[in-house]
Parts: sequence; structure tokens; C-alpha cells
Amino acid sequence: KAGVTQTPRYLIKTRGQQVTLSCSPISGHRSVSWYQQTPGQGLQFLFEYFSETQRNKGNFPGRFSGRQFSNSRSEMNVSTLELGDSALYLCASSRSDRGDEKLFFGSGTQLSVL
Amino acid sequence: SQQGEEDPQALSIQEGENATMNCSYKTSINNLQWYRQNSGRGLVHLILIRSNEREKHSGRLRVTLDTSKKSSSLLITASRAADTASYFCATDRMDSSYKLIFGSGTRLLVRP
Repeated sequence: KAGVTQTPRYLIKTRGQQVTLSCSPISGHRSVSWYQQTPGQGLQFLFEYFSETQRNKGNFPGRFSGRQFSNSRSEMNVSTLELGDSALYLCASSRSDRGDEKLFFGSGTQLSVL
Repeated sequence: SQQGEEDPQALSIQEGENATMNCSYKTSINNLQWYRQNSGRGLVHLILIRSNEREKHSGRLRVTLDTSKKSSSLLITASRAADTASYFCATDRMDSSYKLIFGSGTRLLVRP
């Protein structure tokens, strides 16, 4: 089984631009979660999608949004980029939205905002 | 916001020694999971322990959970250089529908 695939692996943007990150979950997994990882804040939960519906959202501004398609693939978008958005963005998939499901993570997208 | 706090933040040991990492959390949980992350990569699930369990083993890993103290520990026995990584606990909180909330992590260095 192929793992969780995130594209692109690296991204460099400038302040004010917007960016879209993509995540393809493991086949058969219907839940996709997104996390932001920075050295100072650790792993912060962004949002979770299950069957094309956003189930949960973390404490991030409205500039951060996402969606999930019928094939469970997910995208997240960040508009009006700020320097502080520089981070490793991790996507994780699981079979369901149950809290006792283990998450399978992609390798992440390293976003640098200049 | 962070739910778990790992202790210590960083740990350096010699190959062959045991490594113990601790995780404390603030609110009641349904279960707790431990993950490992090699530098700049995604996280890999290690083990899950439910709130009604006190101890669990998987290979060289031993996890304990003390719900009265709201804490968990991860023991890696006979460590190897390949165990060098960051280790995170993640909790499934009873009072939240959030997905797993991760702690701040322990950076483990195993010296050959």
C-alpha cells in the first residue's frame, strides 16, 4: 500500500502570496488531518476532514482553510502569507475519525515565507 | 494549544542504555499514543495505550499510563543509534472532538 503523499515537498513564497498544499491519503482512509510544526510551537492541529466534511478545526486564523474531495484527497490553502507561516505542514490519514485510530503521516511540505 | 508536555526536552545516552521519556497532560483522555519523528520527516506511530490500561509492551518499547497523575512514560530498552529521533505523545481528549493533540516532544540522541 502506498503511504501518505504530500506535494510539494518544499515551497518558497513571499509575504502576501497564497499557497495550496496537497495530500493524498492511504487508499481506503477517509480521514485527513493537517498539522503545522514549528520549532517554537511544536505540532499544532489545523483541521480534520472526514468524508468531505470538516469535522474539527484548531485555533488558526481564517487565512488557513482546507477541503477534502470525494476520493479523500485533501488540500489546504493559506492566503496572505505571513513570515510566521513558515513551517513544516504535515498531513495524516486514518481509516476513520475515531480518536483511537493511529495516524499515518506524510513527509510534509516545508514552507518558507520570505 | 498543547495538551501534553514531554520531559525531558532533550536526552543524550550511550548506545545500549535505556531511554525514558515522560509525558504529562492536562485533561482526561480516552487514550494516549506515542509517535516518533526522524529529523524533518513525518511521524510514525509507535504504540497506543487506552485509559483503562496501565502498561503496554511492543518489542523494545514499554509504555505506562497513570491516569491519576495524568502522565505516561515511554521506555526504550537497549537503545541503538537508529533510535535517534524526536518522540511525541498524543492524546485523545474526552472533552474535545479534536483529533489527536500532540505534546512538545523529547529529542533523543543515542551515541554510538
